[in-house]
Amino acid sequence: AQSVTQPDIHITVSEGASLELRCNYSYGATPYLFWYVQSPGQGLQLLLKYFSGDTLVQGIKGFEAEFKRSQSSFNLRKPSVHWSDAAEYFCAVAASGAGSYQLTFGKGTKLSVIP
Amino acid sequence: DAGITQSPRHKVTETGTPVTLRCHQTENHRYMYWYRQDPGHGLRLIHYSYGVKDTDKGEVSDGYSVSRSKTEDFLLTLESATSSQTSVYFCAISDQRGIRYNEQFFGPGTRLTVL
Repeated sequence: AQSVTQPDIHITVSEGASLELRCNYSYGATPYLFWYVQSPGQGLQLLLKYFSGDTLVQGIKGFEAEFKRSQSSFNLRKPSVHWSDAAEYFCAVAASGAGSYQLTFGKGTKLSVIP
Repeated sequence: DAGITQSPRHKVTETGTPVTLRCHQTENHRYMYWYRQDPGHGLRLIHYSYGVKDTDKGEVSDGYSVSRSKTEDFLLTLESATSSQTSVYFCAISDQRGIRYNEQFFGPGTRLTVL
């Protein structure tokens, strides 16, 4: 079974600084990988996804993530953080293949932004 | 945004009472899911549906049942609510075709408190 680890429970950055949120997954084959963002009191919004092909994927709101098979990682990055990026971020992995439709989520990383 | 609504959005109930949460979609997506979100646990899958009258258990299904009599509605029932079921419940949908494989869209959530 697949699993996801987000090592950082809480990260604080200054507005304008760069950001990297870590995600490590465990899965025997090539996974489908996702990053979701959740603002307080809201549902989850998909930021970006990796299915295959180019290992650097671009998402909404200026975010990008890089799939590194050798490190089993899918880290989320943003070059310059805005105060509105303060939220909780979830990495998720899905097993690829027919009939595989279950997502496994990490426990989340809460991002605080200092003005 | 995907057309997903959840009702009620907030509910307070007492231990031992039955509770039903409703998820309604207007996207005609085949797959529907129920998750619970608890601090420090991320999102955990309760049950999912892969078609009308076709459902299966997820990671944390004990104490919950589901039904899907129409494509657009997926009901989650707590037969006899317990305090451990106090949580935020999210519904999600996905359309398992082509590039949208496993991409899930989330509803706004239902906050349930069991006293």
